[in-house]
Amino acid sequence: QVQLVESGGGVVQPGGSLRLSCAASGFSFSAYGMHWVRQAPGKGLEWVASLSYDGNNKFYADSVRGRFTISRDNFKNTMYLQMNNLRTEDTALYYCVKREGRPNNRYFDYWGQGALVTVSS
Amino acid sequence: QSVLTQPPSVSGAPGQRVTISCAGSNSNIGAGYDVHWYQQLPGTVPKLLIYENTNRPSGVPDRFSASKSATSASLAIAGLQAEDEADYYCHSYDKTLSAYVFGGGTKLTVL
Repeated sequence: QVQLVESGGGVVQPGGSLRLSCAASGFSFSAYGMHWVRQAPGKGLEWVASLSYDGNNKFYADSVRGRFTISRDNFKNTMYLQMNNLRTEDTALYYCVKREGRPNNRYFDYWGQGALVTVSS
Repeated sequence: QSVLTQPPSVSGAPGQRVTISCAGSNSNIGAGYDVHWYQQLPGTVPKLLIYENTNRPSGVPDRFSASKSATSASLAIAGLQAEDEADYYCHSYDKTLSAYVFGGGTKLTVL
C-alpha cells in the first residue's frame, strides 16, 4: 500500500532553516509528480510546491517562492523541501502528497501524516 | 481570503441531505479546470473524497456526490451520518496564480 512518511520538522527561530524529507513506498515513486501542502494550526489547506516525476519541473506558491526549494531523489524514493528564511507565518503541518490526474488538473490521492514546523522566537 | 469560497459551516440532522458550495471564478473553475473534494475528519489527514468533478474513489460511499457548473461546484451528502462530521475542502487550479488553490474549508456538523 502507498505510504508517505515525513520527517525533519521541528522548532526554528525566524530567519532559520529546516529540511523536510518524505520517504515514499508502495508505488513507483519515479513515475509520479509530488507536492507539499501545508495546514497552519486551526486553518485550512494551502498548496506549497510541486515537482515533476523527474525533478525537472518545479512550481511554488507565491508565499514561499525564493525561500523554499523542492527536490527529489528517485534512487532513494524520497522528496525534500528545503525551507530557508523561515517566517512565523510558515508555522504549519506540512503534508507530503502524491498526485494523480492530468496536467493542471492534478488531485491528491495519498497524503502523509505530516511534519510539524514551528517558527518562533 | 481563499481563491475558492466555501461557507464556513453547514449542519444537518442524521438522515438529511446537505450541500456545500465552492465558488470560484473564470480564472479557475470557470476556465474549465477540474474540482476535487477532500474530507478531513477531526485530528486526521485529509482524504480524497471526489476527483475530477464527479468521481468517487473506491471505498467512498455513494451518499457523497458532486457537481460542477460555470464558475462553481458543490458537494452533496445524502443520508447524513454522525461519522460525516468533518471539514470539507474543494480544490482546483488557478491559471492567473499558476497555482493549485483550495477553498477555505467547510465544517459540517451533524446535529
